[in-house]
Amino acid sequence: QVQLVQSGAEVKRPGASVQISCKASGYTLTSFLMHWVRQTPGHGLEWIGMIIPSSGSSMSAPNVQGRLTMNWDPSTRTFYMDMNSLTSADSGVYFCARLTAPWHFYDFWGQGTPVTVSS
Amino acid sequence: EIQMTQSPSSLSASIGDRVTITCRAAQGIDNFLNWYQQKPGKAPKVLIYATSRLQSGVPSRFSASGSGTDFTLTISNLQPEDFATYYCQQSYTTPHSSFGQGTKLEIK
Repeated sequence: QVQLVQSGAEVKRPGASVQISCKASGYTLTSFLMHWVRQTPGHGLEWIGMIIPSSGSSMSAPNVQGRLTMNWDPSTRTFYMDMNSLTSADSGVYFCARLTAPWHFYDFWGQGTPVTVSS
Repeated sequence: EIQMTQSPSSLSASIGDRVTITCRAAQGIDNFLNWYQQKPGKAPKVLIYATSRLQSGVPSRFSASGSGTDFTLTISNLQPEDFATYYCQQSYTTPHSSFGQGTKLEIK
């Protein structure tokens, strides 16, 4: 069965960086894109980025571009997102989510990683 | 980014009721409209994709319709486990999809 298991909650100071992991199992990783979605009080559910496992290419939303890096490790079947220059506006819950084609919906989600940015 | 507007923002209903949630896209999105249910502390779960297609395992009391810019989700015969927050999502502009602000369904 498909499972996405994320790393635990993080507390960071403004200006710091955070890394969140998402370990995938139960499917062929290169057959699906992996997306990152966050849920914040200010913007609700918001797409922030995606990675194409077969090529390693990634794309991020304009409002996090330059601060968000995504990659994955095939040997451990784990996806990573790194975000730097954190502000309080980045506080929220971060989800990895598998995108399924052709209708482009998220059929499996990680359990979410809460991130708190506070001084 | 295509703006998605849901209404109402919150809704009170009783067990056994039928409720409808609407979602409007700021521009046409063909049939690339999905509905998710989210319970507190959990990830969203897809209910409906491609406007009206029921995801495997989702009860048939959930149905949806629409096209272009206007879409609806209907839940018939509300059950206790249906009280949650519902989100629409347009995936027409994937990867940069966008979600509605959510509709919280509460027990009356």
